[in-house]
Amino acid sequence: DQQVKQNSPSLSVQEGRISILNCDYTNSMFDYFLWYKKYPAEGPTFLISISSIKDKNEDGRFTVFLNKSAKHLSLHIVPSQPGDSAVYFCAASKTGTASKLTFGTGTRLQVML
Amino acid sequence: GAGVSQSPSNKVTEKGKDVELRCDPISGHTALYWYRQSLGQGLEFLIYFQGNSAPDKSGLPSDRFSAERTGGSVSTLTIQRTQQEDSAVYLCASSLVGGAKTGELFFGEGSRLTVL
Repeated sequence: DQQVKQNSPSLSVQEGRISILNCDYTNSMFDYFLWYKKYPAEGPTFLISISSIKDKNEDGRFTVFLNKSAKHLSLHIVPSQPGDSAVYFCAASKTGTASKLTFGTGTRLQVML
Repeated sequence: GAGVSQSPSNKVTEKGKDVELRCDPISGHTALYWYRQSLGQGLEFLIYFQGNSAPDKSGLPSDRFSAERTGGSVSTLTIQRTQQEDSAVYLCASSLVGGAKTGELFFGEGSRLTVL
């Protein structure tokens, strides 16, 4: 049972344009959401997070939007750069199980020159 | 080293053998996590340590899997009588305090296990 879903396995975007990565979740108990980025042969690195009490969190070129009613979040990267090419994982956690993250299957982003 | 260190980086073993995977967390990090990523899947939680104790081991898939942590530092994940479905990348992560809400889980590069 996939509780966190990233339905697009891959995405290609031109350099300088916006990248939008999507994530859906099914468990209404999730109250904290994170995005991780992973380069080949490296471990995932934390990118940005959002609490369920917010609907937007911004950090430089990265913005995460949360729509609780739709159980949907998205990561916007503006402007996209070639170095952003990586696999992006969405993750979620529940109050009381803050030690455990539930990850999506990832979206491979390719930013083209 | 400055980051989370895992060994071996690659391990090929025969079905039925036991394997040990090691994780050396960032110095001073009290929390340690094991995840695995099977082909085409997301990262799957296995176990969480706070210090040397494991308050959450709910993700261990069977009793063939065990993990320990000693001295509040190094952790070993042991898989007994390996099966082909155990083939995956096993990722270790650590953080300053327990709880994913810190967001800052620092991952190692993983140990790729292939069971023939």
